[in-house]
Amino acid sequence: EAGVTQSPTHLIKTRGQQATLRCSPISGHTSVYWYQQALGLGLQFLLWYDEGEERNRGNFPPRFSGRQFPNYSSELNVNALELEDSALYLCARLDRGTQFFGPGTRLTVL
Amino acid sequence: AQSVTQLDSQVPVFEEAPVELRCNYSSSVSVYLFWYVQYPNQGLQLLLKYLSGSTLVKGINGFEAEFNKSQTSFHLRKPSVHISDTAEYFCAVSDSAEYGNKLVFGAGTILRVKS
Repeated sequence: EAGVTQSPTHLIKTRGQQATLRCSPISGHTSVYWYQQALGLGLQFLLWYDEGEERNRGNFPPRFSGRQFPNYSSELNVNALELEDSALYLCARLDRGTQFFGPGTRLTVL
Repeated sequence: AQSVTQLDSQVPVFEEAPVELRCNYSSSVSVYLFWYVQYPNQGLQLLLKYLSGSTLVKGINGFEAEFNKSQTSFHLRKPSVHISDTAEYFCAVSDSAEYGNKLVFGAGTILRVKS
């Protein structure tokens, strides 16, 4: 088991709206990573949270943001949605140098 | 910055034949290397990893990979594939000297196993 849950499984929004995606690693794991898998663009690193702080972000605009809660679960927020934000968003936990991924949230922007 | 090249976008192979999926990465002082598999409409599942030690790494489902530092390669192999191995395979690297273990992925290789 990957030890990461993500919700919702699917999310449909229209352009200009905001989307909120959630991720929960199993207990005791403090690092959470977010990746975007968009058609034609491959898997790209989005954000890394550890101990409640944003530690690193990929080459994405500021409308991609998030936070990490005291229980180490995390939220990814995407504001002012654009059509090209349609993608599978994957969350991962870190365990001894290895990232284990959740099932992802499929975001569709119409 | 790290980069990963997966040389084949698609690999068709017959069931029970051997297969090799190629992966090359840009050189760095020290790296961690991974192979993940993705079945349709699912997340990524870890197949195997190289963090240190033996350069021949064995993973799940009969897969193995060899870390070759001089050729900066980490090719994935399986001696006999099954229909159920049909999926997309991603090679990934993280720079162990870089804070945070961010993964850089290759573009993926679709393995199609035919009966």
